Amino acid sequence: QSALTQPASVSGSPGQSITIFCTGTSSDVGGYEYVSWYQHHPGKAPKLMIYDVSNRPSGVSNHFSGSKSGNTASLTISGLQADDEADYYCSSFTGSSTYVFGTGTKVTVL
Amino acid sequence: EAQLVESGGGLVQPGGSLRLSCAASGFAFRDYAMSWVRQAPGKGLEWVSTISGSGGNTDYTDSVKGRFTVSRDYSKSTLYLQMNSLKAEDTAIYYCAKLRGTYFGAFDVWGQGTVVTVSS
Repeated sequence: QSALTQPASVSGSPGQSITIFCTGTSSDVGGYEYVSWYQHHPGKAPKLMIYDVSNRPSGVSNHFSGSKSGNTASLTISGLQADDEADYYCSSFTGSSTYVFGTGTKVTVL
Repeated sequence: EAQLVESGGGLVQPGGSLRLSCAASGFAFRDYAMSWVRQAPGKGLEWVSTISGSGGNTDYTDSVKGRFTVSRDYSKSTLYLQMNSLKAEDTAIYYCAKLRGTYFGAFDVWGQGTVVTVSS
């Protein structure tokens, strides 16, 4: 199972909006509504930001949003803040009853 | 509050074995699937294994099939990962994670991780 494809890095100024794309196949992202997104600060536990494509867990700011079109999912951070700087990973359930993560995107707040 | 605490990591020689543990608290352990996810040095997150809430279903990433075994003890609310025939490429931080559902979905609770180093 190959990793889902994400850009290595995305940057933006405070207050701007950025979008991270996550590209898979019809056997993972395109075939299931089980796409999720995680924020990871190195040395800490990853944190769930979006589940089931577009749902936010309780306690996650509404400036994070998710969507999907075909085999590509996306995470949008609106009104970028300094503490949004982290690594972000997408993940999807697959047709083999397994999970696959994206390659990861480093978000930098300029 | 749901919490996961991993233990059991360490330094092991190639070909050796190690058993990781993950103590769960704050939720009904039997009701949720559990997974192991790892991160090798300088690399991204990699799903390793999932076990269903009942323990009757397990899945593994191809690179660990036949070497790793996931299990759970309901009396201790603890998840395990038995790792045999370890290779250098198994070196990573190993996280346990709770799934939102019985087998499908997102990883909504994570532990802090335990470090496994495979080296001679």
